[in-house]
Amino acid sequence: AQRVTQPEKLLSVFKGAPVELKCNYSYSGSPELFWYVQYSRQRLQLLLRHISRESIKGFTADLNKGETSFHLKKPFAQEEDSAMYYCALSGAGSNYKLTFGKGTLLTVNP
Amino acid sequence: NAGVTQTPKFQVLKTGQSMTLQCAQDMNHNSMYWYRQDPGMGLRLIYYSASEGTTDKGEVPNGYNVSRLNKREFSLRLESAAPSQTSVYFCASSPTSGGSQPQHFGDGTRLSIL
Repeated sequence: AQRVTQPEKLLSVFKGAPVELKCNYSYSGSPELFWYVQYSRQRLQLLLRHISRESIKGFTADLNKGETSFHLKKPFAQEEDSAMYYCALSGAGSNYKLTFGKGTLLTVNP
Repeated sequence: NAGVTQTPKFQVLKTGQSMTLQCAQDMNHNSMYWYRQDPGMGLRLIYYSASEGTTDKGEVPNGYNVSRLNKREFSLRLESAAPSQTSVYFCASSPTSGGSQPQHFGDGTRLSIL
């Protein structure tokens, strides 16, 4: 079975502070990992995925297979980063199933 | 660029009523999905359609049925609505059902069952 755990329901930081949203996963094979973001009153959208190894809006995430983690990081949070963030996992290859974590609501205070 | 379009955006039903949520995508994607989003539960897959002509159950299919009408459209039906089905419903699509394919989401349908 595949499982995604986001241990923090809520995370509050001040503008300019570093932010890290935690994500741990359980999967027996090679996972594909994603971060999705949902800004207020907007649709859920892909933020980044580990196979791209890119930085989007200043966010990065590194897959740590030893610790089975895929934490999302940003060195200097901005107010516009306030949103709900979901970590998601899918099995590589033909496994379609995308399993979401329960989400972390990030609030960046001025 | 419409992407994934869901109708209606809001709906209030009485217990026992039936309703169909509509979803259409204009990206020529093969795979489509229905999720429900509940506070503290994240998104849970209800049904999915890996390709036109196929549908399969997800994590929480009870009380729902789906129809993949054609490649563009994937509808979700509640035959006899129950208060436990009060939720926000999201439709999504992806090019294929392969694990590396990101999914594109609609704006959601906020459904309340009284």
